[in-house]
Amino acid sequence: EVQLVESGGGLVEPGGSLRLSCAASGFTLSSHVMNWVRQAPGKGLEWVSSISSGSSYIYYADSLKGRFTVSRDNAKNLVYLQMNSLRVEDTAVYYCARVFASGSFHFDYWGQGTLVTVSS
Amino acid sequence: QLVLTQSPSASASLGGSVKLTCTLSSGHSNYAIAWHQQRPEKGPRFLMKLNNDGSHNKGDGIPDRFSGSSAGAERYLSISSLQSEDEADYYCQTWGTDIQVFGGGTKLTVL
Repeated sequence: EVQLVESGGGLVEPGGSLRLSCAASGFTLSSHVMNWVRQAPGKGLEWVSSISSGSSYIYYADSLKGRFTVSRDNAKNLVYLQMNSLRVEDTAVYYCARVFASGSFHFDYWGQGTLVTVSS
Repeated sequence: QLVLTQSPSASASLGGSVKLTCTLSSGHSNYAIAWHQQRPEKGPRFLMKLNNDGSHNKGDGIPDRFSGSSAGAERYLSISSLQSEDEADYYCQTWGTDIQVFGGGTKLTVL
């Protein structure tokens, strides 16, 4: 069974940092592009970042302006999102999502999310 | 610019059917999309990938009540025999070379 489990969320002050983790199981992580998506309270889904299977290709939403860094460790079955210079508007549930294996870039599995609250 | 447009809300009766729409921006009418369901307080769940020719591939365990179709730049999600558990937000998703895009979501109310 494919499972994605996010962790690392919590309360952080504006300007602070946080690192999220996504633990993958039930499939071969190294065969899949992975993404981070966030959802602010009461809002829709917003794509954050994408990382290719071997970390060669990394993309971010323009709105992040270089504050976030995605990485992965296929040997440990983990995907990370390092978030720096956090702002109140970064408050959201952060989901990791798996991209379908081949020929298409739709998301076929999601985690349950981890809540990040940026507040003083 | 790659944009997906969805109506904010829809409603239909228990046991009835509904058709949700996702519209691709100009110049992108041949793009495939995916539909995702998000029940209250839950993470999203993949429903199906929908191609521009209307063919679709559903996710694991998605019932036959869910189907997809396409017409031009419009992508549709049809749900029949509506159940209370279908009350949820529905998002469409598409992708470019270096970007993923979501529609604003449609909140479906089952009356």
